[in-house]
Amino acid sequence: DAMVIQNPRYQVTQFGKPVTLSCSQTLNHNVMYWYQQKSSQAPKLLFHYYDKDFNNEADTPDNFQSRRPNTSFCFLDIRSPGLGDAAMYLCATSIGGIGNQPQHFGDGTRLSIL
Amino acid sequence: EDKVVQSPLSLVVHEGDTVTLNCSYEVTNFRSLLWYKQEKKAPTFLFMLTSSGIEKKSGRLSSILDKKELFSILNITATQTGDSAVYLCAVDVNDMRFGAGTRLTVKP
Repeated sequence: DAMVIQNPRYQVTQFGKPVTLSCSQTLNHNVMYWYQQKSSQAPKLLFHYYDKDFNNEADTPDNFQSRRPNTSFCFLDIRSPGLGDAAMYLCATSIGGIGNQPQHFGDGTRLSIL
Repeated sequence: EDKVVQSPLSLVVHEGDTVTLNCSYEVTNFRSLLWYKQEKKAPTFLFMLTSSGIEKKSGRLSSILDKKELFSILNITATQTGDSAVYLCAVDVNDMRFGAGTRLTVKP
């Protein structure tokens, strides 16, 4: 089945140790998004790629970076994780520019910081 | 600043009850309004609304949008315990702006 796959499902890292979360999709959607969702809060958009064009939200910390080497894959890099970065990280995809299309979410990666 | 406000924040009902969840918004560049259901994992898509006054239905769930008054409602009839979840409203303004969600608990 076509889907959005996030790996790993659970990630534990140490304070200050760089970590990379990955997202892949078989939907061939041209837009990919990364959200941060903390406990009991709505998802917060960090950034998105429209094809190869990177769009950063104004309040996304510099500590968060992203890479999209091809249509299918997108990575979230946290350069120096702090305790406040512990959260669920959601990847989503959509077809941009063709009417209005819903986003399809992966199952998320839950990040813990020791 | 774009705003998406959901009410109530939480709701407890019994099986068989009908519930109405509300979402109001103040945004620029409105494209569509979407409802998602989130249980333990990622949000799953329910409805996308772009036109006023056209009800969308899926089984016991239905939703409608009022673009003049800037709100949408999500109705669930004959609720079941499996409907227990957080229901998220999101407005597509080229990015997605999510509301805080309504936590629905359906008791047997």
